[in-house]
Amino acid sequence: AQSVTQLGSHVSVSEGALVLLRCNYSSSVPPYLFWYVQYPNQGLQLLLKYTTGATLVKGINGFEAEFKKSETSFHLTKPSAHMSDAAEYFCAVSRPMNSGGYQKVTFGTGTKLQVIP
Amino acid sequence: DSGVTQTPKHLITATGQRVTLRCSPRSGDLSVYWYQQSLDQGLQFLIQYYNGEERAKGNILERFSAQQFPDLHSELNLSSLELGDSALYFCASSPQGNEQFFGPGTRLTVL
Repeated sequence: AQSVTQLGSHVSVSEGALVLLRCNYSSSVPPYLFWYVQYPNQGLQLLLKYTTGATLVKGINGFEAEFKKSETSFHLTKPSAHMSDAAEYFCAVSRPMNSGGYQKVTFGTGTKLQVIP
Repeated sequence: DSGVTQTPKHLITATGQRVTLRCSPRSGDLSVYWYQQSLDQGLQFLIQYYNGEERAKGNILERFSAQQFPDLHSELNLSSLELGDSALYFCASSPQGNEQFFGPGTRLTVL
């Protein structure tokens, strides 16, 4: 079984301040972890992903996340928030697709980021 | 543009009716996933297809069904519609089970 918990359904930061969005996961096997962003009236877009290898992953728009196995966390950060970062962010966990093509992806409930000018 | 297309963009129908949502994945992607997004339930995984075969099932109601055709496009059929089925329905495709590429969604309104 796998699950994702995103702490804080709404987060507000000032423009230029640090963005920190929290994600904790549970998985019975080494997970694949993802952050997606959704702008209003649009589909989800991949920000970054961790599959294997380096635990600090960099994504688009200056975002990065660190996989911490001991803490079962995959928090998303950005040093300086821009107004354009206002959106909803989803953390997701899956396991590698098996040889039969099976893969179930579990998304968190999302965090809406508000950037205050 | 993710390369995933969904039609129609908007759909308004009445309770008890049946609708079909269509998804064309990115060229070469064998996996298609369907999701439902609503204000009260958030983003819910419905079902996954891989190369024409159903592979993973999530919170999909018995009134809902899906299929993936030989050309890899997929359809989600929703029947006996209820007011609570009003939501955004997303399709996503994936090349090898890593990241997913989401379509723009179909907004279903049941009156």
